[in-house]
Amino acid sequence: QVQLQESGPGLVKPSETLSLTCSVSGGSISSYYWNWIRQPPGKGLEWIGYIYYSGSTHYNPSLKSRVTISADTSKNQFSLKLTSVTAADTAVYYCARGASLLHVPYFDYWGQGTLVTVSS
Amino acid sequence: QSVLTQPPSASGTPGQRVTISCSGSSSNIGSNTVNWYQQLPGTAPKLLIYGNNQRPSGVPDRFSGSKSGTSASLAISGLQSEDEADYYCAAWDDSLIGLVFGGGTKLTVL
Repeated sequence: QVQLQESGPGLVKPSETLSLTCSVSGGSISSYYWNWIRQPPGKGLEWIGYIYYSGSTHYNPSLKSRVTISADTSKNQFSLKLTSVTAADTAVYYCARGASLLHVPYFDYWGQGTLVTVSS
Repeated sequence: QSVLTQPPSASGTPGQRVTISCSGSSSNIGSNTVNWYQQLPGTAPKLLIYGNNQRPSGVPDRFSGSKSGTSASLAISGLQSEDEADYYCAAWDDSLIGLVFGGGTKLTVL
């Protein structure tokens, strides 16, 4: 059974960089798409981006200028960096495994999510 | 404002059949498959339907998905109290070149 677990600071100051790591167990990240998705409190889901097992990345155009997703296959982890954060980036951040059908990714395993608050 | 439009709420009584709609455009639902997620209160979303109408292992056959043109629907038959949750549709958008979610529908079992 694949399991994902997010980790990182729960509080980030405005203008600083949000950094999160997702540790994957029960399967290798050397296949599939590995995604970050967020959900502001009381609101809907927003896809942030993914890193493919080949190392290629794809980001939500609305966040592209501030996002970097990377992977460490030796640790079976992948990470998210979001720069220049504001209060609007306050959200529960989920990592998720993506499979695909007809080139459309779907998320079949999710982490439990971690709340990141942007505040001074 | 979400790219995919869902009704904010839906309701039904136990045993009833309810449907949740997801409206998009030619660049997303009209061109690509649709996935559905269920989010129980306080938990991470769970994959319910992928590829318009495919159920992952373990998802009851009470849940079904369909797509026609630029709209998709999730149907839940034999409604149960444990189905009370938020439901989200998702699809790839060829114009935005990214994955988009609907705004979500809160299902209440009366």
